[in-house]
Amino acid sequence: DVKVTQSSRYLVKRTGEKVFLECVQDMDHENMFWYRQDPGLGLRLIYFSYDVKMKEKGDIPEGYSVSREKKERFSLILESASTNQTSMYLCASSLAGTIRNYGYTFGSGTRLTVV
Amino acid sequence: AQSVTQLDSQVPVFEEAPVELRCNYSSSVSVYLFWYVQYPNQGLQLLLKYLSGSTLVKGINGFEAEFNKSQTSFHLRKPSVHISDTAEYFCAVDSGGYQKVTFGTGTKLQVIP
Repeated sequence: DVKVTQSSRYLVKRTGEKVFLECVQDMDHENMFWYRQDPGLGLRLIYFSYDVKMKEKGDIPEGYSVSREKKERFSLILESASTNQTSMYLCASSLAGTIRNYGYTFGSGTRLTVV
Repeated sequence: AQSVTQLDSQVPVFEEAPVELRCNYSSSVSVYLFWYVQYPNQGLQLLLKYLSGSTLVKGINGFEAEFNKSQTSFHLRKPSVHISDTAEYFCAVDSGGYQKVTFGTGTKLQVIP
């Protein structure tokens, strides 16, 4: 089975800290995505990547950046964490051209609290 | 622009009763529609999809959904729910382009024993 692993299940950070959320997939997927999930708002796309060193902004990129130096790893970076970035963060991956047939594979999420 | 609307944020239902979770979409082009399920403390997993062809699609765990183009709907149904169906369900739409989907706000299904 494809596995998408998010390094932390729960994370508590202070306002202004630089935060790294890590995501690793083990099935050679080209596409990787970062979503945040908030009650009543569903999932909103932050950034996605179709290949190494490639990134595209999603619907809510402000306050975030990403890094994809290796195919299997996609990192989400909060340059200066703020309380409105307290949320559940979900990483997902997919093989190129297969989202419609097989959908995404999601990680279990990282619940980030910024205090 | 594409979007989906899930009309109910929470749906309580007794065990073994039928359930329908509603989803309406908006898109100016052909659409591909999905339902995902999120069990507590887990990521989302694909439940079923509509790409083309038959408007009634069947998914895992006894769920099915019907694509209705005239009503721009893709409602999810199950004739008899089980306690283990308690989860949050997300409708999603892909209108082509960059292989990414837009998710609805989710419906929490609570199955009552």
